[in-house]
Amino acid sequence: EPEVTQTPSHQVTQMGQEVILRCVPISNHLYFYWYRQILGQKVEFLVSFYNNEISEKSEIFDDRFSVERPDGSNFTLKIRSTKLEDSAMYFCASSLNAGAQDGYTFGSGTRLTVV
Amino acid sequence: QQPVQSPQAVILREGEDAVINCSSSKALYSVHWYRQKHGEAPVFLMILLKGGEQKGHDKISASFNEKKQQSSLYLTASQLSYSGTYFCGTEFTGNQFYFGTGTSLTVIP
Repeated sequence: EPEVTQTPSHQVTQMGQEVILRCVPISNHLYFYWYRQILGQKVEFLVSFYNNEISEKSEIFDDRFSVERPDGSNFTLKIRSTKLEDSAMYFCASSLNAGAQDGYTFGSGTRLTVV
Repeated sequence: QQPVQSPQAVILREGEDAVINCSSSKALYSVHWYRQKHGEAPVFLMILLKGGEQKGHDKISASFNEKKQQSSLYLTASQLSYSGTYFCGTEFTGNQFYFGTGTSLTVIP
Protein backbone atom coordinates (compact mmCIF):
# COMPACT_ATOMS: atom_id res chain seq x y z
CA GLU A 1 0.00 0.00 0.00
CA PRO A 2 1.56 3.33 -1.04
CA GLU A 3 2.01 5.73 1.80
CA VAL A 4 2.90 9.30 2.60
CA THR A 5 6.07 9.54 4.66
CA GLN A 6 6.81 12.36 7.07
CA THR A 7 9.98 13.23 8.91
CA PRO A 8 10.81 13.84 11.65
CA SER A 9 8.11 12.24 13.77
CA HIS A 10 8.87 14.66 16.60
CA GLN A 11 10.50 18.06 16.55
CA VAL A 12 11.21 20.32 19.50
CA THR A 13 12.30 23.85 18.76
CA GLN A 14 12.84 27.06 20.65
CA MET A 15 10.46 29.92 20.09
CA GLY A 16 11.70 32.16 17.32
CA GLN A 17 13.61 29.43 15.51
CA GLU A 18 12.86 28.09 12.06
CA VAL A 19 11.70 24.52 11.42
CA ILE A 20 11.31 22.49 8.27
CA LEU A 21 8.89 19.60 8.19
CA ARG A 22 9.39 17.08 5.42
CA CYS A 23 7.00 14.90 3.50
CA VAL A 24 7.30 12.43 0.66
CA PRO A 25 3.87 12.14 -0.99
CA ILE A 26 2.67 9.16 -2.97
CA SER A 27 4.64 9.19 -6.19
CA ASN A 28 1.81 9.51 -8.73
CA HIS A 29 -0.21 11.99 -6.72
CA LEU A 30 -0.45 15.52 -8.04
CA TYR A 31 -2.04 17.48 -5.20
CA PHE A 32 -0.34 18.07 -1.89
CA TYR A 33 -1.56 19.49 1.38
CA TRP A 34 -0.54 20.42 4.88
CA TYR A 35 -2.90 20.23 7.82
CA ARG A 36 -2.37 20.72 11.50
CA GLN A 37 -4.11 19.39 14.57
CA ILE A 38 -3.69 21.01 17.94
CA LEU A 39 -3.92 18.37 20.63
CA GLY A 40 -7.47 17.16 21.07
CA GLN A 41 -8.89 19.54 18.50
CA LYS A 42 -10.05 19.35 14.92
CA VAL A 43 -7.82 18.92 11.90
CA GLU A 44 -7.27 22.32 10.26
CA PHE A 45 -6.37 23.03 6.65
CA LEU A 46 -3.20 25.01 6.07
CA VAL A 47 -2.36 24.92 2.37
CA SER A 48 -2.82 23.05 -0.88
CA PHE A 49 -0.20 22.83 -3.59
CA TYR A 50 -0.43 21.84 -7.23
CA ASN A 51 1.82 22.27 -10.23
CA ASN A 52 4.53 23.83 -8.11
CA GLU A 53 2.42 26.56 -6.67
CA ILE A 54 0.03 27.19 -3.83
CA SER A 55 -3.60 26.59 -4.83
CA GLU A 56 -5.25 27.73 -1.63
CA LYS A 57 -4.22 28.65 1.86
CA SER A 58 -6.06 29.29 5.08
CA GLU A 59 -5.79 32.19 7.48
CA ILE A 60 -3.46 30.10 9.63
CA PHE A 61 -0.92 30.03 6.81
CA ASP A 62 0.53 33.48 7.43
CA ASP A 63 3.74 34.90 6.03
CA ARG A 64 5.84 32.85 8.46
CA PHE A 65 4.80 29.72 6.61
CA SER A 66 6.04 28.55 3.25
CA VAL A 67 5.93 25.35 1.22
CA GLU A 68 8.23 23.99 -1.39
CA ARG A 69 8.63 20.96 -3.59
CA PRO A 70 12.35 21.27 -4.20
CA ASP A 71 13.15 18.08 -6.04
CA GLY A 72 9.97 16.47 -7.38
CA SER A 73 9.61 14.07 -4.50
CA ASN A 74 9.86 15.98 -1.23
CA PHE A 75 7.21 18.46 -0.11
CA THR A 76 8.31 20.69 2.75
CA LEU A 77 6.63 23.04 5.17
CA LYS A 78 8.84 25.75 6.64
CA ILE A 79 7.80 27.78 9.63
CA ARG A 80 9.93 30.82 10.45
CA SER A 81 9.99 32.65 13.77
CA THR A 82 8.07 29.87 15.49
CA LYS A 83 5.56 30.74 18.20
CA LEU A 84 4.30 28.70 21.12
CA GLU A 85 0.91 28.42 19.41
CA ASP A 86 2.51 26.65 16.45
CA SER A 87 2.80 23.57 18.65
CA ALA A 88 0.64 20.92 17.02
CA MET A 89 0.68 17.75 15.00
CA TYR A 90 1.31 18.58 11.35
CA PHE A 91 -0.02 16.19 8.74
CA CYS A 92 0.99 16.07 5.12
CA ALA A 93 -1.52 14.62 2.66
CA SER A 94 -1.67 13.95 -1.03
CA SER A 95 -4.35 13.09 -3.56
CA LEU A 96 -4.38 11.93 -7.13
CA ASN A 97 -6.94 14.40 -8.37
CA ALA A 98 -8.56 17.69 -7.48
CA GLY A 99 -11.60 17.19 -5.30
CA ALA A 100 -9.80 14.16 -3.87
CA GLN A 101 -12.36 11.77 -5.29
CA ASP A 102 -10.33 8.88 -3.97
CA GLY A 103 -9.78 10.57 -0.63
CA TYR A 104 -6.69 12.07 0.87
CA THR A 105 -3.82 9.90 2.02
CA PHE A 106 -2.27 11.29 5.17
CA GLY A 107 1.18 10.79 6.54
CA SER A 108 1.66 9.76 10.14
CA GLY A 109 2.45 13.32 11.16
CA THR A 110 5.17 15.40 12.77
CA ARG A 111 4.58 16.49 16.34
CA LEU A 112 6.03 19.98 16.67
CA THR A 113 6.62 21.36 20.11
CA VAL A 114 7.72 24.97 20.45
CA VAL A 115 9.24 25.79 23.83
CA GLN B 1 -18.08 26.72 7.22
CA GLN B 2 -16.93 23.78 9.26
CA PRO B 3 -19.41 20.88 9.17
CA VAL B 4 -20.92 20.05 12.55
CA GLN B 5 -20.95 16.49 13.80
CA SER B 6 -23.15 14.81 16.36
CA PRO B 7 -22.82 13.25 18.79
CA GLN B 8 -19.52 14.58 20.08
CA ALA B 9 -18.79 11.28 21.79
CA VAL B 10 -20.35 7.86 22.04
CA ILE B 11 -19.53 4.71 23.98
CA LEU B 12 -20.72 1.37 22.68
CA ARG B 13 -20.45 -2.23 23.71
CA GLU B 14 -19.13 -4.63 21.12
CA GLY B 15 -21.89 -5.62 18.74
CA GLU B 16 -23.92 -2.46 19.16
CA ASP B 17 -24.69 -0.03 16.35
CA ALA B 18 -23.92 3.68 16.07
CA VAL B 19 -24.84 6.56 13.80
CA ILE B 20 -22.70 9.66 13.39
CA ASN B 21 -24.18 12.69 11.70
CA CYS B 22 -22.49 15.48 9.78
CA SER B 23 -24.41 18.63 8.90
CA SER B 24 -23.72 21.79 6.99
CA SER B 25 -25.63 25.01 6.53
CA LYS B 26 -24.82 24.97 2.83
CA ALA B 27 -24.79 22.30 0.15
CA LEU B 28 -21.60 20.30 0.07
CA TYR B 29 -19.65 19.42 -3.05
CA SER B 30 -18.78 16.07 -1.52
CA VAL B 31 -18.44 14.49 1.87
CA HIS B 32 -15.56 12.36 3.06
CA TRP B 33 -15.39 10.18 6.15
CA TYR B 34 -12.16 9.49 8.02
CA ARG B 35 -11.25 7.60 11.15
CA GLN B 36 -8.34 8.67 13.32
CA LYS B 37 -6.92 6.53 16.07
CA HIS B 38 -5.11 8.23 18.90
CA GLY B 39 -1.71 9.49 17.82
CA GLU B 40 -2.16 8.36 14.21
CA ALA B 41 -3.07 9.97 10.90
CA PRO B 42 -6.67 10.13 9.70
CA VAL B 43 -7.51 7.20 7.46
CA PHE B 44 -9.88 7.61 4.55
CA LEU B 45 -13.05 5.53 4.80
CA MET B 46 -15.20 6.68 1.92
CA ILE B 47 -16.43 9.61 -0.15
CA LEU B 48 -19.94 10.44 -1.29
CA LEU B 49 -20.50 12.74 -4.19
CA LYS B 50 -24.15 12.59 -5.14
CA GLY B 51 -27.27 13.59 -3.31
CA GLY B 52 -29.15 10.51 -2.22
CA GLU B 53 -26.05 8.34 -2.47
CA GLN B 54 -25.45 5.48 -0.09
CA LYS B 55 -22.20 3.60 0.08
CA GLY B 56 -20.59 1.08 2.34
CA HIS B 57 -18.20 -1.76 2.90
CA ASP B 58 -18.22 -4.44 5.56
CA LYS B 59 -20.28 -3.07 8.43
CA ILE B 60 -19.53 0.61 7.84
CA SER B 61 -21.73 2.57 5.47
CA ALA B 62 -22.73 6.15 4.84
CA SER B 63 -25.47 8.18 3.23
CA PHE B 64 -25.69 11.64 1.73
CA ASN B 65 -29.05 13.32 1.71
CA GLU B 66 -30.75 14.69 -1.40
CA LYS B 67 -29.98 18.30 -0.56
CA LYS B 68 -26.32 17.42 0.07
CA GLN B 69 -26.32 19.17 3.42
CA GLN B 70 -26.25 16.16 5.68
CA SER B 71 -24.41 12.87 5.78
CA SER B 72 -24.58 9.99 8.22
CA LEU B 73 -22.06 7.25 8.96
CA TYR B 74 -23.48 3.95 10.13
CA LEU B 75 -21.43 1.45 12.11
CA THR B 76 -23.16 -1.85 12.70
CA ALA B 77 -22.17 -4.68 14.99
CA SER B 78 -19.29 -2.57 16.28
CA GLN B 79 -15.90 -4.11 16.95
CA LEU B 80 -13.17 -2.97 19.31
CA SER B 81 -11.16 -1.88 16.25
CA TYR B 82 -13.81 0.72 15.41
CA SER B 83 -12.70 2.89 18.32
CA GLY B 84 -11.29 6.24 17.29
CA THR B 85 -12.38 9.70 16.29
CA TYR B 86 -14.49 9.96 13.18
CA PHE B 87 -14.36 13.05 11.04
CA CYS B 88 -16.49 14.04 8.14
CA GLY B 89 -14.98 16.51 5.74
CA THR B 90 -15.95 18.47 2.72
CA GLU B 91 -14.86 20.94 0.10
CA PHE B 92 -16.93 23.99 -0.59
CA THR B 93 -14.67 25.49 -3.22
CA GLY B 94 -11.34 24.70 -4.76
CA ASN B 95 -8.94 22.61 -2.80
CA GLN B 96 -9.70 23.88 0.67
CA PHE B 97 -10.99 20.94 2.64
CA TYR B 98 -12.78 21.39 5.96
CA PHE B 99 -12.93 18.67 8.55
CA GLY B 100 -15.96 18.35 10.76
CA THR B 101 -15.91 18.80 14.51
CA GLY B 102 -15.24 15.09 15.14
CA THR B 103 -16.99 12.29 17.01
CA SER B 104 -15.12 10.18 19.52
CA LEU B 105 -16.25 6.56 19.39
CA THR B 106 -15.23 4.09 22.09
CA VAL B 107 -16.14 0.43 21.82
CA ILE B 108 -15.85 -1.55 25.01
CA PRO B 109 -15.96 -5.31 25.48
